[in-house]
Amino acid sequence: EDQVTQSPEALRLQEGESSSLNCSYTVSGLRGLFWYRQDPGKGPEFLFTLYSAGEEKEKERLKATLTKKESFLHITAPKPEDSATYLCAVQATSGGSNYKLTFGKGTLLTVNP
Amino acid sequence: EAQVTQNPRYLITVTGKKLTVTCSQNMNHEYMSWYRQDPGLGLRQIYYSMNVEVTDKGDVPEGYKVSRKEKRNFPLILESPSPNQTSLYFCASSLLRNTEAFFGQGTRLTVV
Repeated sequence: EDQVTQSPEALRLQEGESSSLNCSYTVSGLRGLFWYRQDPGKGPEFLFTLYSAGEEKEKERLKATLTKKESFLHITAPKPEDSATYLCAVQATSGGSNYKLTFGKGTLLTVNP
Repeated sequence: EAQVTQNPRYLITVTGKKLTVTCSQNMNHEYMSWYRQDPGLGLRQIYYSMNVEVTDKGDVPEGYKVSRKEKRNFPLILESPSPNQTSLYFCASSLLRNTEAFFGQGTRLTVV
C-alpha cells in the first residue's frame, strides 16, 4: 500500500527564517510526486511535480527536491504570505492504468512577521 | 480562465435525502477525480475517471456514485447521505495521468 508521511505536522517560523518540510513516501514505483499549497477553505493549488530522484524545481522562495525515499520543500526567507498548509502526494506505477493519488496529511506552516 | 467549478459551495441536508454535487472543468482534461478532506485524515480519493464512461473506485467509494457522460462534467452522487459523509469535498482534473491536478474550490457538506 502506498504511504505518504509529512513532517512536521506544524511549523512556525519568523519572517526570513529559512526551513524545510519533509515528505517521506513508500511506493513500489514512483510515477510522480506532487507538492500543493492549500489556504484555509480553498482547494489545493499546484506547486511542483518531481518525477525522478535527483530532480529539483524552484519557484520564488520555494525549492523542491526528490530522493528515492523522500522529498523536501525548502522555503528560503519566508514571508507571512507563505503561511498555508503544504501537501505532498504521490502517484505510483504499481497501479497500472489507474489514476490514484495518495496524499500526506500536510504541514501547516505559519510565518510570523 | 482555466478552472474547475463545483456547486454548491455549501450544503446542509438531512440523512437519506439524495443529493448531487456537480463538477465541471473547461480545460479539456481527460482525468477527473473526487476527494474528501477530513481533519486528521487528509485528502482521500473517492472515485476517479480516465475518460468518458470510464470510472473506477478510489480509497473510500462506499456510499458514493459518479458518472462521466461528458468529458467536462463529473458529478458526485450521494444516494442516501449519512452523517459520516459530512466533509469537505474537492473535485480535480488533470490533462494526463501523471500531470498536476487542478482542484475546485470545494463543497462543504453537512448531513444531519
